[in-house]
Amino acid sequence: SAVISQKPSRDICQRGTSLTIQCQVDSQVTMMFWYRQQPGQSLTLIATANQGSEATYESGFVIDKFPISRPNLTFSTLTVSNMSPEDSSIYLCSVRTGEQYFGPGTRLTVT
Amino acid sequence: TQLLEQSPQFLSIQEGENLTVYCNSSSVFSSLQWYRQEPGEGPVLLVTVVTGGEVKKLKRLTFQFGDARKDSSLHITAAQPGDTGLYLCAGVNNQGGKLIFGQGTELSVKP
Repeated sequence: SAVISQKPSRDICQRGTSLTIQCQVDSQVTMMFWYRQQPGQSLTLIATANQGSEATYESGFVIDKFPISRPNLTFSTLTVSNMSPEDSSIYLCSVRTGEQYFGPGTRLTVT
Repeated sequence: TQLLEQSPQFLSIQEGENLTVYCNSSSVFSSLQWYRQEPGEGPVLLVTVVTGGEVKKLKRLTFQFGDARKDSSLHITAAQPGDTGLYLCAGVNNQGGKLIFGQGTELSVKP
């Protein structure tokens, strides 16, 4: 199993600013994932972050907008850059250790 | 692009009633997972079905994977208020094992 914590749990940010979300796992994992869950919608994969390599982004997501760091096997950050109201979502960190586990999410509101 | 259509999107029922949630696709998945998500938390895995025609039971919940591995259903018998939450199906695709999520079913069980 894996226990995942995220910081912050929620934030309200102004248009044009950036927010960095932290994800901490209680065990070492190879693959970490970042998802977005927009209000009333399902989960969309933003990128896969493996330690020691560049993150792999899904169609529609780019590194300039969502830079990711993965400095070690238990930690990752996702930055939402130059935010607009359309970025208001829940951002979820996830890992796969046999099963897939999700963090509690970061609820972001952009005004 | 693999898509999963989940229905219904919203369901409000009385305690003791039965319900079924459907998850359909035109694509074949190597396996299919069902998650439950409560407000302020990440999705939690309920079950994984792997074999076409497979049926799994988890107390009052029955999960079925279609023979062609393109669809799945979740049936809840005698629903309880504690079953309230967002139910998500997710297909594991055959390339890279990515999760493709359905839109989710928001279930409300009233006492």
